Amino acid sequence: DADVTQTPRNRITKTGKRIMLECSQTKGHDRMYWYRQDPGLGLRLIYYSFDVKDINKGEISDGYSVSRQAQAKFSLSLESAIPNQTALYFCATSDGDTNQPQHFGDGTRLSIL
Amino acid sequence: GQNIDQPTEMTATEGAIVQINCTYQTSGFNGLFWYQQHAGEAPTFLSYNVLDGLEEKGRFSSFLSRSKGYSYLLLKELQMKDSASYLCAVEGGTYKYIFGTGTRLKVLA
Repeated sequence: DADVTQTPRNRITKTGKRIMLECSQTKGHDRMYWYRQDPGLGLRLIYYSFDVKDINKGEISDGYSVSRQAQAKFSLSLESAIPNQTALYFCATSDGDTNQPQHFGDGTRLSIL
Repeated sequence: GQNIDQPTEMTATEGAIVQINCTYQTSGFNGLFWYQQHAGEAPTFLSYNVLDGLEEKGRFSSFLSRSKGYSYLLLKELQMKDSASYLCAVEGGTYKYIFGTGTRLKVLA
């Protein structure tokens, strides 16, 4: 089984719909992250959480919200989806110490029509 | 501002050596990471540098010069499976990772 699991893997929806992307991990890491990846723009940080009570905005948090339900679970919500949120979304985790690599889920390909 | 620059695309021949450069300007520095990402897949960790110098891991080596804000990833004995994007990322002072846009490497037979 994957250490970092994202659901769904693919989603097509319409403008204005509310969408939740879920991420769960079995690595026991405290830190969890949500990124989006767009062609030519690389990975951009949406939100990150260093523990259950800690939530921080990344560089592109507008239009998104998150919930850290447990150490192992971190979900990303689009309250009212718009077409320019069409992207590949990745969840990642890392250990609590600095200088630790991130471990990525397999991604969610989201298309908003 | 914070910025990481990498070439967009490179091409090399199977069995050859290729060097992928990365320059960075960030407000903090806790280390530099290289990731490999095959098309449509998740990035996977390759290497990490926090001190100046060369780190070697099999066919892959990574170099860092903090004073120059410069790193490179060296891939030796290229194989077809090395065709992928290579992402340079810096962990800044606030424990956030800043990623470059990636270098797409094509390995030709």
